[in-house]
Amino acid sequence: NAGVTQTPKFRVLKTGQSMTLLCAQDMNHEYMYWYRQDPGMGLRLIHYSVGEGTTAKGEVPDGYNVSRLKKQNFLLGLESAAPSQTSVYFCASTRDRGTQPQHFGDGTRLSIL
Amino acid sequence: AQSVTQLDSQVPVFEEAPVELRCNYSSSVSVYLFWYVQYPNQGLQLLLKYLSGSTLVKGINGFEAEFNKSQTSFHLRKPSVHISDTAEYFCAVSEEDGGFKTIFGAGTRLFVKA
Repeated sequence: NAGVTQTPKFRVLKTGQSMTLLCAQDMNHEYMYWYRQDPGMGLRLIHYSVGEGTTAKGEVPDGYNVSRLKKQNFLLGLESAAPSQTSVYFCASTRDRGTQPQHFGDGTRLSIL
Repeated sequence: AQSVTQLDSQVPVFEEAPVELRCNYSSSVSVYLFWYVQYPNQGLQLLLKYLSGSTLVKGINGFEAEFNKSQTSFHLRKPSVHISDTAEYFCAVSEEDGGFKTIFGAGTRLFVKA
């Protein structure tokens, strides 16, 4: 009963390095989201997807890219990491927009030095 | 524009005391409302939700919330808290005719003391 799985759980990067965070869900959900969580700021939406092959920008998309090649996977990429991207990243999915709760992964803690 | 305000960033309370975590929102259309809980080093988990109908909603772990349309509030309550309720709580709002996004409040850290 995995739900939403994020990999890796922790990562330390140097400024300018690139990496990809993977989110996988086994609930056949259409909608998937990437958030970042910073102290005192709640969750801010980075990018989201309303179905396989689709992506859209959220509130704070700069410096990130995403892809949804398969329905169950949603990838978040950092092309050139910056210290301002140090954060905890959460992936979530939901069956239907609005009325259904989001199911969250346990997060990826990312530090950029 | 849609926004969610959680009025208290931290709420300390003694074990077995009642607690209320406050949430106000702004929206020009009908909304769906949620409360989530986040334990350390974990993702958010749904506590309860309001979609329509009765304005008093009961959730897991003895929590309940009341939707007040005139005051645009959705406060979370528990009559008697336990040490294990120590966590961060997030209020979230989706608009009925909105897009595919949910707006989260900044969170309230509940600290239950023995």
